[in-house]
Amino acid sequence: GENVEQHPSTLSVQEGDSAVIKCTYSDSASNYFPWYKQELGKRPQLIIDIRSNVGEKKDQRIAVTLNKTAKHFSLHITETQPEDSAVYFCAAKEYGNKLVFGAGTILRVKS
Amino acid sequence: GAGVSQSPSNKVTEKGKDVELRCDPISGHTALYWYRQRLGQGLEFLIYFQGNSAPDKSGLPSDRFSAERTGESVSTLTIQRTQQEDSAVYLCASSSSGSSYNEQFFGPGTRLTVL
Repeated sequence: GENVEQHPSTLSVQEGDSAVIKCTYSDSASNYFPWYKQELGKRPQLIIDIRSNVGEKKDQRIAVTLNKTAKHFSLHITETQPEDSAVYFCAAKEYGNKLVFGAGTILRVKS
Repeated sequence: GAGVSQSPSNKVTEKGKDVELRCDPISGHTALYWYRQRLGQGLEFLIYFQGNSAPDKSGLPSDRFSAERTGESVSTLTIQRTQQEDSAVYLCASSSSGSSYNEQFFGPGTRLTVL
């Protein structure tokens, strides 16, 4: 089955700096890669996703890149703000709508 | 419209007791998922229902865990003879169809504490 590894486990950045979180996956057949943000005590919410036929996708300050050959994808947050502080989870679709999640990255944005 | 709801929001039980957790998906969503999230950990897949197909139970950690879903509506996750290691937040999610790219919408979770 699919296996997703996520790094780093924690990340501290200064407000205004960029943050990058990386994930690798094992199943070359996976074709959908969402990113979820979970604020403290709240439910995970989708912030951006990418399909395997696309190499990069941007939405304002957030972007995701995908390298199918290397089987890794990354989340990029530019001009970080304190409200970006949360746990971020990457995921890869195994089959149907089943997702396999990474272990999560705690992002702290220091003001 | 209403999102995914779960009840109870918190459940405290004694070791050895059975518990039942409920999930109400978004109306019309054919796919439903249960995850377990231990404190400070990631999302551990438990079970996946898709329409009338047989559920994918591959993530259930032991035979003490079971889940049912009535048609395309409510689902219940049952944990029998609870153990302290079952303490976690149990999250339910639903998505609109079995196609490949549909967003999973999460409920607020049930925080289970086994004493």
